[in-house]
Amino acid sequence: EMQLVQSGAEVKKPGESLKISCKASGYRFTTYWIAWVRQKPGKGLEWMGIIYPDDSDTKYSPSFQGQVTISADKSIATAYLQLNSLKASDTAMYYCARLTGDNAMDVWGLGTTVNVSS
Amino acid sequence: DIQMTQSPSSLSASVGQKVTITCRASQSINMYLNWYQQKPGKVPKLLIYTASSLQSGVPSRFSGSGFGTDFTLTISSLQPEDFATYYCQQGYRPPYTFGQGTNLETK
Repeated sequence: EMQLVQSGAEVKKPGESLKISCKASGYRFTTYWIAWVRQKPGKGLEWMGIIYPDDSDTKYSPSFQGQVTISADKSIATAYLQLNSLKASDTAMYYCARLTGDNAMDVWGLGTTVNVSS
Repeated sequence: DIQMTQSPSSLSASVGQKVTITCRASQSINMYLNWYQQKPGKVPKLLIYTASSLQSGVPSRFSGSGFGTDFTLTISSLQPEDFATYYCQQGYRPPYTFGQGTNLETK
């Protein structure tokens, strides 16, 4: 069974950093792009960026460029999303998802809740 | 960036009713349009990819159409489990932007 298993919920203070993980299983990790999607409470889905784990080619949304870092370790089939200098406005659910060849997201992680509060 | 605009933003309908949601792209995206369903507190689920292809396991009452800039998602006969929020997403050029969502509520 194809799965993306994300790390657990986080509570952080403003200014702190955070790295969320997304571990893939049940398929060949290196041959599918992985996307990160943000969803703020009660709001819609926001596409953050993608990474190709085989060579770590990365593409960011301009809205998130410079604010986040996406990386991957193909030896352990895991993608990461790093959030720096956290603000209250970063409070959200963060999802990872696998991209098909047509750039649809067919397998999703359960999401990682991030709560930033002083 | 390619902007995706859905209409309506919210919709009230009854079980058994036929429902159509529209998504418009700010420029041509060929056939690279995907539809997702999200229920409260749940993970988004891929329904339709490349405008009209039904994802495995998705009921046939869901269908999609369109090409270029204008697309539709149709639910032929609403079921109780279909009340949810629906998102379109373009897969033509990064960033692969989403529409703002359509909240489908029970009338």
